[in-house]
Amino acid sequence: EVQLVESGGGLVQPGGSLRLSCAASGFTFSSYSMNWVRQAPGKGLEWVSYISSSGTTIYYADSVKGRFTISRDNAKNSLYLRMNSLRAEDTAVYFCARVRAGVFEAFDIWGQGTMVTVSS
Amino acid sequence: DIQMTQSPSSLSASVGDRVTITCRASQTISSYLNWYQQKPGKAPKLLIYAASSLQSGVPSRFSGSGSGTDFTLTISSLQPEDFATYYCQQSYSTPPAFGGGTKVEIK
Repeated sequence: EVQLVESGGGLVQPGGSLRLSCAASGFTFSSYSMNWVRQAPGKGLEWVSYISSSGTTIYYADSVKGRFTISRDNAKNSLYLRMNSLRAEDTAVYFCARVRAGVFEAFDIWGQGTMVTVSS
Repeated sequence: DIQMTQSPSSLSASVGDRVTITCRASQTISSYLNWYQQKPGKAPKLLIYAASSLQSGVPSRFSGSGSGTDFTLTISSLQPEDFATYYCQQSYSTPPAFGGGTKVEIK
């Protein structure tokens, strides 16, 4: 079964750090680009970051640039998001999502999400 | 950055109704438009990619159309399991922005 499972969320104080993980199974992880997408409580979806299959191309939303770092370990079938200098507005469910193979880069597989709460 | 605007933000409909949701891009995105369904507490699910291509396993009552800046998601006959929030997303350029969502509720 094709699956993504996030972990690492939790409660952190403003200014703190957290590392999220996304474990992939059921497909050749190293062949797919990946993304992180977040959703604040009661709000819509917000794209956070992208990494290509090899890890050589990376993009960030302006709202997290300089604070978040995306990475991957293809040998471990895992995607990561290192989050530093966390703010209250970073509170959200964080999803990892696979980019569908082909030209039109839709997100075809999503994890169940992990909740990050930034609060003192 | 490209902005995506969905309308309406919510709608009430009955089982069996035909439902149409629109999405407009702030600049042309060709056919780089995707639609997702999200139920409460769940991850989004890809329904339509490339504006009109049905994702594998998605019922044929869902269809998408449009190109350029104006797009439509249609549910031909609303089923009980279709009550959810729907999002459009452009994949033409980075950042791949989502629309604000359309919540489909039971009338």
